[in-house]
Amino acid sequence: EAGVAQSPRYKIIEKRQSVAFWCNPISGHATLYWYQQILGQGPKLLIQFQNNGVVDDSQLPKDRFSAERLKGVDSTLKIQPAKLEDSAVYLCASSPGDREETQYFGPGTRLLVL
Amino acid sequence: QKEVEQNSGPLSVPEGAIASLNCTYSDRGSQSFFWYRQYSGKSPELIMFIYSNGDKEDGRFTAQLNKASQYVSLLIRDSQPSDSATYLCAPRRPGGYNKLIFGAGTRLAVHP
Repeated sequence: EAGVAQSPRYKIIEKRQSVAFWCNPISGHATLYWYQQILGQGPKLLIQFQNNGVVDDSQLPKDRFSAERLKGVDSTLKIQPAKLEDSAVYLCASSPGDREETQYFGPGTRLLVL
Repeated sequence: QKEVEQNSGPLSVPEGAIASLNCTYSDRGSQSFFWYRQYSGKSPELIMFIYSNGDKEDGRFTAQLNKASQYVSLLIRDSQPSDSATYLCAPRRPGGYNKLIFGAGTRLAVHP
């Protein structure tokens, strides 16, 4: 079974530029999560999708971050414009449903904002 | 007060010893708890989860939960250098939608 796929793996941009990350969850998984992990911290949930609907985006900085999962499968997370403090690893995870189930993480995208 | 507190470490143990990793949480409504392992530069991977008070064993790993004390721990027996990683504690927030609240993690170093 293929795992969660993410791209790109690394990205370096200058502040005020825009960037987009892509995630393809494990086949059949209805729930998709985007996390931000700053160095030395645990992952922080940015947004959670159940199929193509948002169920939690309470910690998403909506003035600059946006995410979509149009067909209920893959997802994109965008930052526009980026700030220095957005430098982090962006992790995508998926789980079969929204109940007490294991979340499986992708390899992450490491973003550096200069 | 942080929602999930873990000693950042590093916790240094000799090979073959028992490593004890501790976690406290603030939300009394949390019912299930997950332990993830994260190697440097890699993504988190699930070690085990626990729902009920008491101990749960899986190979060399034992999770312990005390809901009255809002405390969960992970014991690693016969520690190996390959266990050197950061261990993340993640209570599941009550109320559905499978939301995990991650601690900052404890860095474990197992030396030969």
